[in-house]
Amino acid sequence: KAGVTQTPRYLIKTRGQQVTLSCSPISGHRSVSWYQQTPGQGLQFLFEYFSETQRNKGNFPGRFSGRQFSNSRSEMNVSTLELGDSALYLCASSAPGTSGRGSHNEQFFGPGTRLTVL
Amino acid sequence: DAKTTQPPSMDCAEGRAANLPCNHSTISGNEYVYWYRQIHSQGPQYIIHGLKNNETNEMASLIITEDRKSSTLILPHATLRDTAVYYCIVITNAGNMLTFGGGTRLMVKP
Repeated sequence: KAGVTQTPRYLIKTRGQQVTLSCSPISGHRSVSWYQQTPGQGLQFLFEYFSETQRNKGNFPGRFSGRQFSNSRSEMNVSTLELGDSALYLCASSAPGTSGRGSHNEQFFGPGTRLTVL
Repeated sequence: DAKTTQPPSMDCAEGRAANLPCNHSTISGNEYVYWYRQIHSQGPQYIIHGLKNNETNEMASLIITEDRKSSTLILPHATLRDTAVYYCIVITNAGNMLTFGGGTRLMVKP
């Protein structure tokens, strides 16, 4: 199976612009989560989508939004970019199921999109 | 508040076992211990998880203390490709909301 893919891999924007990042999950995976990773804050959860519905949301401002399509592909959008939004944005997909030891929460991460805001 | 505490860095000789500790003294009864690692320029990769029993898979072993307040990830024969940042997290299986702290930067040296 192909892994999680994210496009673009690198992006440079200026303050005030908006950006859309794309994620294609592993085939058959219906849950897609987005994370922001920065040197100072580590990896932080943004939101999770399952069957086109936002199921969980992290503690980020409303400038960060996302959506999921019927084929499970997901996009996240950041509006009115700020310098502090410079980060590696990671997408992860998972297929909740059982492993005989309770439900297994393994998430498969993509390579990320590195966003630089100037 | 960080739910886990890990040493910031460790070194290990190639071919030797790497033992990475993690403290999670406030872990709840329904929370699992998960380990992920992140090799430079890649997304995090799942390694192993457990609730209260020791676990082993093809990548590593996980030893959880009886009181569940700490655990150790063991890479039995570390290779140079195991050089990465290793993250220990606690999470209920009901959620997909991973939050990684600083992790342990493991450097495997020849």
